[in-house]
Amino acid sequence: EPEVTQTPSHQVTQMGQEVILRCVPISNHLYFYWYRQILGQKVEFLVSFYNNEISEKSEIFDDQFSVERPDGSNFTLKIRSTKLEDSAMYFCASSGAGIGNQPQHFGDGTRLSIL
Amino acid sequence: LAKTTQPISMDSYEGQEVNITCSHNNIATNDYITWYQQFPSQGPRFIIQGYKTKVTNEVASLFIPADRKSSTLSLPRVSLSDTAVYYCLVGDNFNKFYFGSGTKLNVKP
Repeated sequence: EPEVTQTPSHQVTQMGQEVILRCVPISNHLYFYWYRQILGQKVEFLVSFYNNEISEKSEIFDDQFSVERPDGSNFTLKIRSTKLEDSAMYFCASSGAGIGNQPQHFGDGTRLSIL
Repeated sequence: LAKTTQPISMDSYEGQEVNITCSHNNIATNDYITWYQQFPSQGPRFIIQGYKTKVTNEVASLFIPADRKSSTLSLPRVSLSDTAVYYCLVGDNFNKFYFGSGTKLNVKP
């Protein structure tokens, strides 16, 4: 069964450094998403992406964050200058169609630790 | 905004049926309701999705009343491996998806 894959599984970065989290969505999916989950808290929406542009973003997704689909398979989340509070699990998801028509399928996440 | 509310935790015993309810008062007309299961250090796993009335698959049933302001996930005959956090997901008109706070289900032997 096709699945969403994320790399790396764990990323440790110094505060202020840039970090790029990578995702390979399911191949025939068209909609892509990033979420984060701070330890012990609920999953929070960051951004949705369709047709090479951001469809929607949450208040968390400020100017320090960016997303890109650099080729036909990868979907990346970049944090420009990391802060301690960016430490969290980051999940990528993809779906065949947006807004609830098809379920989103999630990867197993990247644990980001900011020192 | 279609935010959701769920019980924080539930306990059950192996073999019992478990029902978890989610409230979503501001659900949009075209939104679907989706439930996910999450184990520690893993991403959410899709369980079931519905729009109204009842949906059933091989692992669960989903009951949605006519006003769609709530939904109930039903897990028949739970086992120890069903111990996890369960989330309901509803999309709103602005393409933002809100997870509920999650219900931690603890299945005891």
